[in-house]
Amino acid sequence: DGGITQSPKYLFRKEGQNVTLSCEQNLNHDAMYWYRQDPGQGLRLIYYSQIVNDFQKGDIAEGYSVSREKKESFPLTVTSAQKNPTAFYLCASSRQERNQPQHFGDGTRLSIL
Amino acid sequence: AQSVAQPEDQVNVAEGNPLTVKCTYSVSGNPYLFWYVQYPNRGLQFLLKYITGDNLVKGSYGFEAEFNKSQTSFHLKKPSALVSDSALYFCAVRDMGTGRRALTFGSGTRLQVQP
Repeated sequence: DGGITQSPKYLFRKEGQNVTLSCEQNLNHDAMYWYRQDPGQGLRLIYYSQIVNDFQKGDIAEGYSVSREKKESFPLTVTSAQKNPTAFYLCASSRQERNQPQHFGDGTRLSIL
Repeated sequence: AQSVAQPEDQVNVAEGNPLTVKCTYSVSGNPYLFWYVQYPNRGLQFLLKYITGDNLVKGSYGFEAEFNKSQTSFHLKKPSALVSDSALYFCAVRDMGTGRRALTFGSGTRLQVQP
């Protein structure tokens, strides 16, 4: 079955540590996205990528980094510069056409130890 | 710039009654509009979308939405609510022409259906 796989489901970060969240899709979608979800705030865009080897900052990119070396993969690194990383992180992908919906993975919940 | 407002944090409805979840949007051009549902500790599931044409859009699980250009609204509706419809609902918008391709989401509305 085609879909988006996020791993791990739960992740704990220590002070000063970088952690990487994985996102893999087998939908053959060109575009991929990372969102952060906090209670009562909906989804906020962190980074997005329209094609391989290219990505753009979203609304809350500070303290995060991404790479897009393969079409199927769009990992997100939460760096130590992100002072409030506790949140639910959602990865999505879509076809390029603007009328197409985004498809979501089941998320990674990141907490601070 | 594009934005979405969902004015109600929570909507309560009795099982079997009709439900409405409200959404208004703002884009510089014409909108593509989407509704998603989220169950606890899960990702968002796509319900329906408005592109062009008929203002009443039908989607998954008996949901439908009505596009109103003059009121810049895209309210989600269902004629008869089920307890299993209880979840978090998000409205999202993307400008048809220019602007960024990522969807912009509202803050979400929690739907509670009482038996």
